[in-house]
Amino acid sequence: AQTVTQSQPEMSVQEAETVTLSCTYDTSESDYYLFWYKQPPSRQMILVIRQEAYKQQNATENRFSVNFQKAAKSFSLKISDSQLGDAAMYFCAYRSVPLNRDDKIIFGKGTRLHILP
Amino acid sequence: NAGVTQTPKFQVLKTGQSMTLQCAQDMNHNSMYWYRQDPGMGLRLIYYSASEGTTDKGEVPNGYNVSRLNKREFSLRLESAAPSQTSVYFCASNKQGMGNQPQHFGDGTRLSIL
Repeated sequence: AQTVTQSQPEMSVQEAETVTLSCTYDTSESDYYLFWYKQPPSRQMILVIRQEAYKQQNATENRFSVNFQKAAKSFSLKISDSQLGDAAMYFCAYRSVPLNRDDKIIFGKGTRLHILP
Repeated sequence: NAGVTQTPKFQVLKTGQSMTLQCAQDMNHNSMYWYRQDPGMGLRLIYYSASEGTTDKGEVPNGYNVSRLNKREFSLRLESAAPSQTSVYFCASNKQGMGNQPQHFGDGTRLSIL
């Protein structure tokens, strides 16, 4: 079974600085999808960025980028120019290639990010 | 564009009471999910449904039942609530067969069992 590990329960970063959140996963599959979700105090789950395992190029979305290391099974999230609105819980998620009824998504336990003004 | 709608948003129950959490999506998604979120535990899958008429257990199904009433609706029932079921519950949906598509989440239900 696949597992997702976020080893940093909490992190803090100064406003305007850069921070990297770690995520590792365990799988025997060669094709899969990875996601980072943001959960602000409002409890909404917001997609931040996604990565297809077959793509070597790291995904980027404005100030958010990932460092995807397939061999190391690592998928870290880098937030550049941190803003107060980035303060949230961040979840890393793994999704297998969906096959009929087996379409589960596995979440890590989350990293709470604090932004210091 | 409602997306995923969960009701109620908050609920307080006494131990032993029953209740049903409702979830509906208007995106024509095949797959629907129920998660619970507890501090330090992330999101844990309770049950999911890959299509109308099918349901499967997730990581923590004990004490819960589900019904996939139709393609739009997926309800979660607590038959005899216990304090250990105090949690925030999320319903989610996504397109089946589209692996790079993210899940869409409801706003959550905060449930307290006294």
